[in-house]
Amino acid sequence: EMQLVESGGGLLQPGGSLRLSCATSGFNFEDFAMYWVRQRPGKGLEWVAGINYQGNLMSFPDSEEGRITISRDNAKSSLYLEIKSLRSEDTALYYCAKGLFGRSSPADFWGQGTLVTVSS
Amino acid sequence: EIVMTQSPATLSVSPGESVTLSCRASQNINNNLAWYQQKPGQAPRLLIFSASTRATGIPARFSGSGSGTEFTLTISSLQSEDFAVYFCHQYRNWQQTFGQGTKLDVK
Repeated sequence: EMQLVESGGGLLQPGGSLRLSCATSGFNFEDFAMYWVRQRPGKGLEWVAGINYQGNLMSFPDSEEGRITISRDNAKSSLYLEIKSLRSEDTALYYCAKGLFGRSSPADFWGQGTLVTVSS
Repeated sequence: EIVMTQSPATLSVSPGESVTLSCRASQNINNNLAWYQQKPGQAPRLLIFSASTRATGIPARFSGSGSGTEFTLTISSLQSEDFAVYFCHQYRNWQQTFGQGTKLDVK
């Protein structure tokens, strides 16, 4: 059975940083692109970052260049997200999602998300 | 950034009816378009990819069409479990973007 389990969320201070993890099982992690997608309370889906199957191609929205890092450890079947200089607008449910293919592709399986709240 | 615009924001329909949701891309994305369904408290579920290919286990009443900048999702004979929010998603390149969603309400 395929599983994606996010962790690392919680209450964080503005200006601080976060590191989220996504532990996966039930599929060949090293063959697929992976993504982070967030959803602010009561809002729509927002693509945060993506990484190809090899881990040598990462992408983020232009507006987040330098603030967001995505990485993966294929030996541990795990995905990570780091965000610096946290703002209140980063408050959201963060989903880890599996790509349908190793390249840019739709997300065919999602975790249940980890909630991040940025507040003083 | 490719902007995805969905319409309408909300659609009120009755069970048994058919409905068509629209999604427009700000530039040509070929057929690199997916549709997701999201119910309250749940993660999104992939319905359609490559604009018209149903994902595994998705009923035939869900169909997608379009190419370039204009796309539609049609749900025929709405079931009670279809009332949810639907998002389109472009993955033409690595800077992916989502539409803002269309909510299907019971009339």
